[in-house]
Amino acid sequence: QLQLQESGPGLVKPSETLSLTCTVSGGSISSSNYYWGWIRQPPGKGLEWIGSIYYSGSTYYNPSLKSRVTMPVDTSKNQFSLKLRSVTAADTAIYYCAAAAGGDVVVVVAAFRWGQGTLVTVSS
Amino acid sequence: QSALTQPASVSGSPGQSITISCTGTSSDVGSYNFVSWYQQHPGKAPKLMIYEVNKRPSGVSDRFSGSKSGNTASLTISGLQAEDEADYYCCSYAGSRIFVVFGGGTKLTVL
Repeated sequence: QLQLQESGPGLVKPSETLSLTCTVSGGSISSSNYYWGWIRQPPGKGLEWIGSIYYSGSTYYNPSLKSRVTMPVDTSKNQFSLKLRSVTAADTAIYYCAAAAGGDVVVVVAAFRWGQGTLVTVSS
Repeated sequence: QSALTQPASVSGSPGQSITISCTGTSSDVGSYNFVSWYQQHPGKAPKLMIYEVNKRPSGVSDRFSGSKSGNTASLTISGLQAEDEADYYCCSYAGSRIFVVFGGGTKLTVL
């Protein structure tokens, strides 16, 4: 069964880069069957889609974050990552990695498997 | 401000049915049959309950159903149970520039 696990620092200083990694088990990150993505949730608030990536390398980002986001993939480790530059306190949130099944980008709205989430606080 | 509009809260008694609305625009909900609903219990990751407007993933109770009319999608929970008390979020595909929009979430209280 597909499982996802986020890892990374829980505290990041303002203006620095937030870096998180999602390790996938029970399936291949190189599979054409999945889209991989990041979603965040500020404490006590709603969900915000950050972006998604397909095995081909195609990336899809939230327009409001696009200038600050990249999502590299490490197929040798079956991992994908999130890098968010120039963070501010507004980026403080629980960050989830997730998987959606299918071969078209429309499936990214239906993430069927999620990691447990990791809280990242932006503070000096 | 979220792109999709949901009521902040709804409530119902055990055994009753409730419906949560999710209003978007002709650029998202109204244009695509790719609307999903997520359930989130406190301190837990969201769980996919409905996808493609009215399809249920394996293992999701048939007490949960989805529908859409125009720019508004709806989630109906019948036979309310205490375990249904949670936050519910709708989500829609929004085209090849914005891609994904979420609703602000609805807190369901089972009285």
